[in-house]
Amino acid sequence: DAKTTQPPSMDCAEGRAANLPCNHSTISGNEYVYWYRQIHSQGPQYIIHGLKNNETNEMASLIITEDRKSSTLILPHATLRDTAVYYCIASTGGGNKLTFGTGTQLKVEL
Amino acid sequence: GAVVSQHPSRVICKSGTSVKIECRSLDFQATTMFWYRQFPKQSLMLMATSNEGSKATYEQGVEKDKFLINHASLTLSTLTVTSAHPEDSSFYICSALTTSGTNYGYTFGSGTRLTVV
Repeated sequence: DAKTTQPPSMDCAEGRAANLPCNHSTISGNEYVYWYRQIHSQGPQYIIHGLKNNETNEMASLIITEDRKSSTLILPHATLRDTAVYYCIASTGGGNKLTFGTGTQLKVEL
Repeated sequence: GAVVSQHPSRVICKSGTSVKIECRSLDFQATTMFWYRQFPKQSLMLMATSNEGSKATYEQGVEKDKFLINHASLTLSTLTVTSAHPEDSSFYICSALTTSGTNYGYTFGSGTRLTVV
């Protein structure tokens, strides 16, 4: 799996958009970009994933650059409950393992 | 949606005893499950990949005789920590691959906090 790089921490005001960046410059053509988050002492929660097109679901939007070397997870209206560690993972999926990096600790404040 | 149930959520055991952790896929069949370990303030580290009906594949540095994995059915995988010691105290998390519905991807259990005293 390609290595991903994320900032260790970010702060966001409640109600504002949280934009979490991820670099994956060595991603291969068949690797998806997955985003998970982990709230303290819980298992990771799936957020979204994509290959090359931008994706949106009820939780977030995923913007992948045209060269696929980086992506941004957008939480449109962050709430206090979005405080968590967010992991960006590059993987071919389909039963292959997910390798977690250090992630970004997002802190949403009033 | 896909749900993975992990049991127990917390367990305290004495040093030298064995502990079994169960991971169940409740509403789907999981050919492949994964076991992770997470120490405080660290990321998840993959321990092994569990395939139904075959031997688990362990990551480098993980002792297969200490961390016994059994995946005897399409809905259940178990991790047994044998002869546990305080250094085995950690947060253990399982994951199962979902291949249908809107939750395609990897679904995680809620984790098991193991404390060895």
